[in-house]
Amino acid sequence: AQKITQTQPGMFVQEKEAVTLDCTYDTSDPSYGLFWYKQPSSGEMIFLIYQGSYDQQNATEGRYSLNFQKARKSANLVISASQLGDSAMYFCAMREDYGGSQGNLIFGKGTKLSVKP
Amino acid sequence: DVKVTQSSRYLVKRTGEKVFLECVQDMDHENMFWYRQDPGLGLRLIYFSYDVKMKEKGDIPEGYSVSREKKERFSLILESASTNQTSMYLCASRGGGFDSLSSYEQYFGPGTRLTVT
Repeated sequence: AQKITQTQPGMFVQEKEAVTLDCTYDTSDPSYGLFWYKQPSSGEMIFLIYQGSYDQQNATEGRYSLNFQKARKSANLVISASQLGDSAMYFCAMREDYGGSQGNLIFGKGTKLSVKP
Repeated sequence: DVKVTQSSRYLVKRTGEKVFLECVQDMDHENMFWYRQDPGLGLRLIYFSYDVKMKEKGDIPEGYSVSREKKERFSLILESASTNQTSMYLCASRGGGFDSLSSYEQYFGPGTRLTVT
């Protein structure tokens, strides 16, 4: 079974609108972390936002927020006021702190976001 | 700023050649990682290292080996390159330890696009 599922291979959003990128995860570890990374066409992976499993508040970083619903095991990324420069691949990832992955990241397959002018 | 550099952005090699991909980080990080990225498959972990001269297999180690003789440098070796190793290779590093209160995010290099003909 996949540990990280991103169900949207590709998405379009109009410039200045908000967009939600979906991510669901599967773990039995009580302590874990969830990450979102952005990968522009240049190829480098850029860390955007982090949510720890014990965090009570949803994480926010500028125009990025993480909608963390622990019971549903979802960690959706919300980008407000989309900009043309947001066009990129977006990856959701999970780190299990006690599981067999030794604290390494497990990545989803990614969502390609295209922002239309 | 953390910097992770990779020796080449683009590389073209012939089937059967021995290929070295070099990665250097300047933040004194204990942990270093090699991933390959293929369309529709996301990032898959090849090998990682949590200390000098230590290495652990990731999810897809077959056909690859690694070397970590110095803390800042982690090399990926393709002993006999094959066409199915044509891919994007990403190196990453991370500081030691992990707990859900802290992100300890991985920092990525710019990637190497390897083509094996």
